[in-house]
Amino acid sequence: DADVTQTPRNRITKTGKRIMLECSQTKGHDRMYWYRQDPGLGLQLIYYSFDVKDINKGEISDGYSVSRQAQAKFSLSLESAIPNQTALYFCATSDGQGADQPQHFGDGTRLSIL
Amino acid sequence: AQKITQTQPGMFVQEKEAVTLDCTYDTSDQSYGLFWYKQPSSGEMIFLIYQGSYDEQNATEGRYSLNFQKARKSANLVISASQLGDSAMYFCAMREPAYSGGGADGLTFGKGTHLIIQP
Repeated sequence: DADVTQTPRNRITKTGKRIMLECSQTKGHDRMYWYRQDPGLGLQLIYYSFDVKDINKGEISDGYSVSRQAQAKFSLSLESAIPNQTALYFCATSDGQGADQPQHFGDGTRLSIL
Repeated sequence: AQKITQTQPGMFVQEKEAVTLDCTYDTSDQSYGLFWYKQPSSGEMIFLIYQGSYDEQNATEGRYSLNFQKARKSANLVISASQLGDSAMYFCAMREPAYSGGGADGLTFGKGTHLIIQP
């Protein structure tokens, strides 16, 4: 089983719909992240969470919200989807606060908004 | 200014040759980490190698090594004896330390290099 699991893997939806992307992890890490990747670009940070009670905005949080339901679960919501939110979305986890800790990524969710 | 710069949008390399992927970074922190990730066409992000700012030795992981030149702020990835399966996007990323209630956490990524290995 994957350590970081994202659901769904693919989603096509219409403008204005509310969408939730879910992420669960079995690594026991406190820190969780949501990134988006646009074609031909690197990943950009949307939100991150140090623990269940500590959630922070990243560089591109407008139009998104998150919920940390438990240490192992971190969901991303698009309240009213728009076409320019079409992208590949990644959840990631990290152990600890040091700069030496790699982030471990899920397999991604391909989201298309028509 | 970009924090991570990858100047090679695409590269073609013959199988079995060594390849160097360039990465320069910008930070005022003394403590930071540099990472390389591989993204094959299937889309997942695979962690390859890590270099800490205080590490005196260049990091190595199998066929991957990181040529770390701190004064030049460069962290180039070297793949020895390239294989067809190495064809993928490669991303350089930096992590600066962050603490609850303090600065932002998360990796800062470059735009990537698309590496194609030719038989």
